[in-house]
Amino acid sequence: DIQMTQSPSSLSASVGDRVTITCRASQGISNYLAWLQQKPGKAPKSLIFAASSLQSGVPSRFSGSGSGTDFTLTISSLQPEDFATYYCQHYNSYPPTFGQGTRLEIK
Amino acid sequence: EVQLVESGGGLVQPGGSLRLSCAGSGFTFSDHYMDWVRQAPGKGLEWVGRSRNKPNSYSTEYAASVKGRFTISRDESGNSLYLQMNSLKTEDTAVYYCARSIVNTARYYFDSWGQGTLVTVSS
Repeated sequence: DIQMTQSPSSLSASVGDRVTITCRASQGISNYLAWLQQKPGKAPKSLIFAASSLQSGVPSRFSGSGSGTDFTLTISSLQPEDFATYYCQHYNSYPPTFGQGTRLEIK
Repeated sequence: EVQLVESGGGLVQPGGSLRLSCAGSGFTFSDHYMDWVRQAPGKGLEWVGRSRNKPNSYSTEYAASVKGRFTISRDESGNSLYLQMNSLKTEDTAVYYCARSIVNTARYYFDSWGQGTLVTVSS
């Protein structure tokens, strides 16, 4: 199975900050990488697919980049509703696997 | 609007069985791959399995951790996905989500999620 490793595991930031979360795959996955957001007690929400394509309705302050094994999710200016846990997930092959999550907290 | 609603969760003893349902609306259910993903309490996300679409005969894939114990099926006359869970273990305790998958250059990613249903395996 392909292992997905995110860093950091947790992050404290303030409203208006720019934050970056990284995700590394244990082997090349081309651009078959998605980012998900999950708030406490809620279902995950899909943010980005194909490493850099925004899902419909996702604010443009979210962006993704990368290919192969190294990927990033950037939030350009944090808003109060962005404090959540973020997961990367590959869908290059079976089984699709997720990173362990990055918890983004208010500083 | 795409809606996915899971049901059927509850408390079951180790070794027991449970069937989860996922009702879809707002899209042509048979056109889409559908998946089950679970999340143990306080833990991350784990893919459970997939049902491909009707053109692909609703064929299935499973995670190694559930293969041989769990079965995914569909109601061909309606818009429902099922997860039959047998020989349940305490480590199967989780919130189970159904998710719709969308094709992106021959690979499928999750684009819509249900609200989840909690399965607790305990004596």
